[in-house]
Amino acid sequence: DAMVIQNPRYQVTQFGKPVTLSCSQTLNHNVMYWYQQKSSQAPKLLFHYYDKDFNNEADTPDNFQSRRPNTSFCFLDIRSPGLGDAAMYLCATSRGRGADSNQPQHFGDGTRLSIL
Amino acid sequence: DQQVKQNSPSLSVQEGRISILNCDYTNSMFDYFLWYKKYPAEGPTFLISISSIKDKNEDGRFTVFLNKSAKHLSLHIVPSQPGDSAVYFCAAPGRGGNQGGKLIFGQGTELSVKP
Repeated sequence: DAMVIQNPRYQVTQFGKPVTLSCSQTLNHNVMYWYQQKSSQAPKLLFHYYDKDFNNEADTPDNFQSRRPNTSFCFLDIRSPGLGDAAMYLCATSRGRGADSNQPQHFGDGTRLSIL
Repeated sequence: DQQVKQNSPSLSVQEGRISILNCDYTNSMFDYFLWYKKYPAEGPTFLISISSIKDKNEDGRFTVFLNKSAKHLSLHIVPSQPGDSAVYFCAAPGRGGNQGGKLIFGQGTELSVKP
């Protein structure tokens, strides 16, 4: 039973056309993360939510935004996708931070984004 | 500086033999490490972890060894099976400031187990 679900699995969009990727979780975890992974590279954290507290990584472009309307859902919005944004986008959840950060993150299967 | 490095992008092993995947880190504040396994077109799956208070953790065919003085850990798979063929990522939770919970990943090692 999938616990972190990402939709769609594959997304094709046009250069400059806004796109939204979605993630839902059934684990009731406090923290949700969005990672970008390009071929043969490590997943790179874009931002994360601890409950409603949004934490942006310093090097995440302004083009990337996120929303978390409730505990279960989190969205990644790319306002004007460029060719360099083609990648696998991974959503993950974890129970918490601090002492709870020593708990594995649970990943979805990702959304493969292609830019035409 | 919070870095996790996997210097071998690929590893090929014969079925039944031992696979050893290596990982180095730079931040002595790291106190917990995880290994994830990733098949193509799937998300990473948690495999095994180790706390810095231990130097070894074993789970079935998988054992992780930690050498704190060398800032080095390794994942041993024995015996290796063709189904173990995947990309393996070493990771550590960031420490300090607002890094809590953030996973720092290595670049991954692609393991190929040949029948």
